[in-house]
Amino acid sequence: DAKTTQPNSMESNEEEPVHLPCNHSTISGTDYIHWYRQLPSQGPEYVIHGLTSNVNNRMASLAIAEDRKSSTLILHRATLRDAAVYYCSGGQTGANNLFFGTGTRLTVIP
Amino acid sequence: NAGVTQTPKFQVLKTGQSMTLQCAQDMNHNSMYWYRQDPGMGLRLIYYSASEGTTDKGEVPNGYNVSRSTTEDFPLRLLSAAPSQTSVYFCASSEMDGYTEAFFGQGTRLTVV
Repeated sequence: DAKTTQPNSMESNEEEPVHLPCNHSTISGTDYIHWYRQLPSQGPEYVIHGLTSNVNNRMASLAIAEDRKSSTLILHRATLRDAAVYYCSGGQTGANNLFFGTGTRLTVIP
Repeated sequence: NAGVTQTPKFQVLKTGQSMTLQCAQDMNHNSMYWYRQDPGMGLRLIYYSASEGTTDKGEVPNGYNVSRSTTEDFPLRLLSAAPSQTSVYFCASSEMDGYTEAFFGQGTRLTVV
């Protein structure tokens, strides 16, 4: 089974950068790394994904370690609306790699 | 564009009853997924389908069944409901299994008494 591990919770001050880590112990060469977030009482929503290179989009940046065993989601300036549970996925060899871990609950402090 | 639609939003079942959770997507996506979410357990994959006509078990398939007879629909059947199946269920779809972003529905909150 896919194995991703994340810290249970993190805190950040508003307007400061946040680095959310994820370890992908069983990732293979063809598995994409995905990040999603879930706001209270909503379904998860896509944040970013990548394979080997670092990726940027309007929501966040994704830094992928050279051996791909870990990744970091970077929110450049945390806002109160970024308070959510963040899930990473990556590490299932085969047809499907959307196995998620238990996620990191991000608290943003005003 | 509706995206991924799940029905019903809420459901209460008695132990032993059966029911089907509906999931439909209008994005012509090949891959579809069912997850359950329990407090402290994150998202756990129940079943997935890489394309119409194919299904595979995920992490926690026991007590559930699925079919994928059309591209749009991926119903999840509870064969004989148990209190342990009380959970929030999410359906998702993606254009290409694992390679593209997934879109999630708003969830079905199921309580089995």
